[in-house]
Amino acid sequence: KAGVTQTPRYLIKTRGQQVTLSCSPISGHRSVSWYQQTPGQGLQFLFEYFSETQRNKGNFPGRFSGRQFSNSRSEMNVSTLELGDSALYLCASSLANKASDEQYFGPGTRLTVT
Amino acid sequence: AQTVTQSQPEMSVQEAETVTLSCTYDTSESDYYLFWYKQPPSRQMILVIRQEAYKQQNATENRFSVNFQKAAKSFSLKISDSQLGDAAMYFCASQPASGSRLTFGEGTQLTVNP
Repeated sequence: KAGVTQTPRYLIKTRGQQVTLSCSPISGHRSVSWYQQTPGQGLQFLFEYFSETQRNKGNFPGRFSGRQFSNSRSEMNVSTLELGDSALYLCASSLANKASDEQYFGPGTRLTVT
Repeated sequence: AQTVTQSQPEMSVQEAETVTLSCTYDTSESDYYLFWYKQPPSRQMILVIRQEAYKQQNATENRFSVNFQKAAKSFSLKISDSQLGDAAMYFCASQPASGSRLTFGEGTQLTVNP
């Protein structure tokens, strides 16, 4: 069974631009969560989608948004990029949105904002 | 709200020896899960071990075991017979039983010396 895939793996953008990251969960998984990892702030929860609905949102500004499609693939969008948005963005998928379901992480997208 | 604290930014161990990584947490949830994740240089987050808070028995996975002290809100990871492949960043995390939002600690960088 294929694992969680994230595209692109690496991305360089300029301040003020916007970016869209994609996450394809493991087949059959309906929950997708997004995390931001930076050296200063560590791993922080962005949001979680289950069956195309946002179920939970972390403490990030409105510039960070996401969505989930009917095939459970998810995208996150960051508008008006800032230097501080440079990070590794990880997504994780699970069968449902219960803690008893193991979350499987993708390899991440490394975003650099210049 | 949940918080997770790892007080050891770095640890080292000799190959074949045993090492213990510390983690304390705080949560307002009555039911929750605790995890140890491993993140090698590839950045792929891998689940090492999981503990359900309502279970008193400590979880074990091969060479990995936990010491879960619920009253003290402590959740340490013991790695026995350390191998070179165990070298990685280790994250302690908590998750409410009702959802899939993970709260991570700051991480402990483990070095395994040959």
